[in-house]
Amino acid sequence: GAVVSQHPSWVICKSGTSVKIECRSLDFQATTMFWYRQFPKQSLMLMATSNEGSKATYEQGVEKDKFLINHASLTLSTLTVTSAHPEDSSFYICSARDRGRAGELFFGEGSRLTVL
Amino acid sequence: DAKTTQPPSMDCAEGRAANLPCNHSTISGNEYVYWYRQIHSQGPQYIIHGLKNNETNEMASLIITEDRKSSTLILPHATLRDTAVYYCIVRDINAGNMLTFGGGTRLMVKP
Repeated sequence: GAVVSQHPSWVICKSGTSVKIECRSLDFQATTMFWYRQFPKQSLMLMATSNEGSKATYEQGVEKDKFLINHASLTLSTLTVTSAHPEDSSFYICSARDRGRAGELFFGEGSRLTVL
Repeated sequence: DAKTTQPPSMDCAEGRAANLPCNHSTISGNEYVYWYRQIHSQGPQYIIHGLKNNETNEMASLIITEDRKSSTLILPHATLRDTAVYYCIVRDINAGNMLTFGGGTRLMVKP
């Protein structure tokens, strides 16, 4: 089956630093990738939609200057949490839409960010 | 995407069938019913999807009512590793849009 890989799977950083999370589709081309955030005991909340070669579309309440998304190729999207603060600590999950299989969405393993 | 309603939690004995219900009374004609599950600290895993016919794969069966206003995911022989949060989502597959997650059902499989 299709595989979506996220890296790193977990990261601990100091407050004020920036952290980059990568999302790769390993065996298919993903024209669209979605970034979700999940706080403990809560459901996944969509943060932004990332389209290859264009600017990301952010959901209401998500700061685009804080959560930088780059989708430079059909197999890679990155999420950079800039000037991270403890309240940004969360589980970040990406999802990729397979261009070849209409509508199929595949999820990465998630990246757990802890900001001290 | 149409809203879904699921019970927040369910228990199931190991080896027995787990039947997880989902209501989607406002589903439209071109919306599919998708089921995903999320095991603790992992990304969601696709289980099954269907439009109006019942579907079965190696993981589960999906039963959709004739009026499509509700569905049931069946895990025929639940194991401890099936303990997870199960999400029922309705989605227009042709719209290319994202999945909107509700609260899901936390299934606890007990020995």
